[in-house]
Amino acid sequence: DGGITQSPKYLFRKEGQNVTLSCEQNLNHDAMYWYRQDPGQGLRLIYYSQIVNDFQKGDIAEGYSVSREKKESFPLTVTSAQKNPTAFYLCASSLGPILNTGELFFGEGSRLTVL
Amino acid sequence: QKEVEQNSGPLSVPEGAIASLNCTYSDRGSQSFFWYRQYSGKSPELIMFIYSNGDKEDGRFTAQLNKASQYVSLLIRDSQPSDSATYLCAVAPGYSTLTFGKGTMLLVSP
Repeated sequence: DGGITQSPKYLFRKEGQNVTLSCEQNLNHDAMYWYRQDPGQGLRLIYYSQIVNDFQKGDIAEGYSVSREKKESFPLTVTSAQKNPTAFYLCASSLGPILNTGELFFGEGSRLTVL
Repeated sequence: QKEVEQNSGPLSVPEGAIASLNCTYSDRGSQSFFWYRQYSGKSPELIMFIYSNGDKEDGRFTAQLNKASQYVSLLIRDSQPSDSATYLCAVAPGYSTLTFGKGTMLLVSP
């Protein structure tokens, strides 16, 4: 089955530690995205990538880093510089530019809790 | 900052009624508009999109767009308890990304 796989589903981290969230897709989509969702909030864009080896900052990139070395993979690292990292993280992909295709396909999300 | 505004709700409707969900956006240049449904603890899924002024119908769902008023709405006819979820309005202010509202929680009571 085609889809987006995020791991881990739940993650606990101590303050000051970096953590990497995995996102893999087998949809052959060009574009991939990372969103953050806090309780009662909508989705806020962290980073996105339209093609391999290229990515752009979203609205809340500070304290996060990404890489796009392969089309299928777009891992997100939450660094110790992120002041309030506890949140639900969603990875998504789209076939092409949003304006043309309109649809984001989401993974099941990773819930990060900082202790 | 491009903004998408929604009433957080909850919007409570009885089973069989019409649920009306509303959204306004700030970027007048936005060209495409989407409604996503998100069940509690789950990821969002696309239910409707609309590009042109007017109405677009898909089964029990109707999306309405008024670009002059910068207003998008979603009507759900014959609401069912299974429609109970948070509905996220999303706008494409440019070519590559979506800006989401905070969502409206809909509760459909049997």
